Formats: sequence, C-alpha cells, structure tokens
Amino acid sequence: EAQVTQNPRYLITVTGKKLTVTCSQNMNHEYMSWYRQDPGLGLRQIYYSMNVEVTDKGDVPEGYKVSRKEKRNFPLILESPSPNQTSLYFCASRRQTLDGFYGYTFGSGTRLTVV
Amino acid sequence: KNEVEQSPQNLTAQEGEFITINCSYSVGISALHWLQQHPGGGIVSLFMLSSGKKKHGRLIATINIQEKHSSLHITASHPRDSAVYICAVPLYGGSQGNLIFGKGTKLSVKP
Repeated sequence: EAQVTQNPRYLITVTGKKLTVTCSQNMNHEYMSWYRQDPGLGLRQIYYSMNVEVTDKGDVPEGYKVSRKEKRNFPLILESPSPNQTSLYFCASRRQTLDGFYGYTFGSGTRLTVV
Repeated sequence: KNEVEQSPQNLTAQEGEFITINCSYSVGISALHWLQQHPGGGIVSLFMLSSGKKKHGRLIATINIQEKHSSLHITASHPRDSAVYICAVPLYGGSQGNLIFGKGTKLSVKP
C-alpha cells in the first residue's frame, strides 16, 4: 500500500532532550515536507526537500533540522526541544515534475508534547 | 509573501445541502491545493488546480487565477463530509515547494 509512515504517533519529552521524528515513504516520491499544526494557526511548513541532499526552509524552520540522505526517508530533528514546539506534526510526500502538479500523501501525524 | 484567507471559518449544513467554501490569496500563483482533514486528524489531498474546474465525485473545485480566488463545492452533502477543508498556495507565488495554508473551514453536516 502506498503510504507515508511517521513514527512515533505520540511522544512526550522533556525540554532539551534531543529527539527525532521519522518519516518514510514507499512511493519513490522526490518531494517530502514537514508541517506543524497548532490551534488557531493552522498548518505551517517547517522544511521541505525537492530531492536527495536538497533541503530548504519553510515558513517556521527555527529549532528544527532535517536531512535527506536517501529518497524514502526525511527525518525531523529537534536538537533541543522547547515547550513552544509542542504541536501536531505531519510529514508529506509528492511526486515532483517540471510542472509540480501532483497531490500530496500525508502521514498520520505525530503529537509531540515538550514539558 | 502570499496571504491566504478562507471563508467561512465554520459551516453547519443539513444533509443534502450544496456547500461552498472559499479561498482567496494575495500573490499570483501557478497552482492551488485543497486538502481535507478528518475529525481523527488524518489529512487527504483533494485537488491541485492550476486553472478552470476539477470534479471528483460530489466535490468540485474551481479557480480564477486573475481574481486570485478558488472555491470548493460539495453537492448533496452527507454527514461523512464533516471535516476541516484547507486550501494551500505557494508562499511566494512560484515554486510549489514552499506552501502556506489557510486556517481551514470546519464543516459539520447534520443528518
């Protein structure tokens, strides 16, 4: 089944303890992206990657890192999490063509709480 | 920077009603996305539009690039259509890599 798999689904951690949220897709999509969703603010893009070894900042990249060493994986790294990073996180992938006109496949989300 | 406004913020309808959700943006774009977020939180991509109209089942999406406006219509609405509907556009109008989102329209369809 074509899907984007995020892990973990739920995570409670303490301030300053480094964590990684994994994202993997099995559709050979070039494009992958991370978003956070907060009440009243909606979805906001954190980082995206147009292909292997190509990453770029989205709207709210501060406090996050990403890497794209292989096509299927796009982990989100919080080096020193803070309570304002408590949020619902989504990973998504998409085929990337010259005109870019394909829909997204989203992961199921990761609910992160930083205390 | 592109700004995205959706209206209405909340919408309650009776089963069978025709629904319209609107999305306006400030910068010229090459394409716009409509997403559906289920009550359980999962997000599904509904449409990507660059011009005109697209139809999938009871869902119809239209876009007017000159007026910087898109609409999502649901015909013969059903309680299972209850969800949050979100539009998204490129941040700076061009590249499809960097997206910004409307705050969503929460639709509730009563039986």
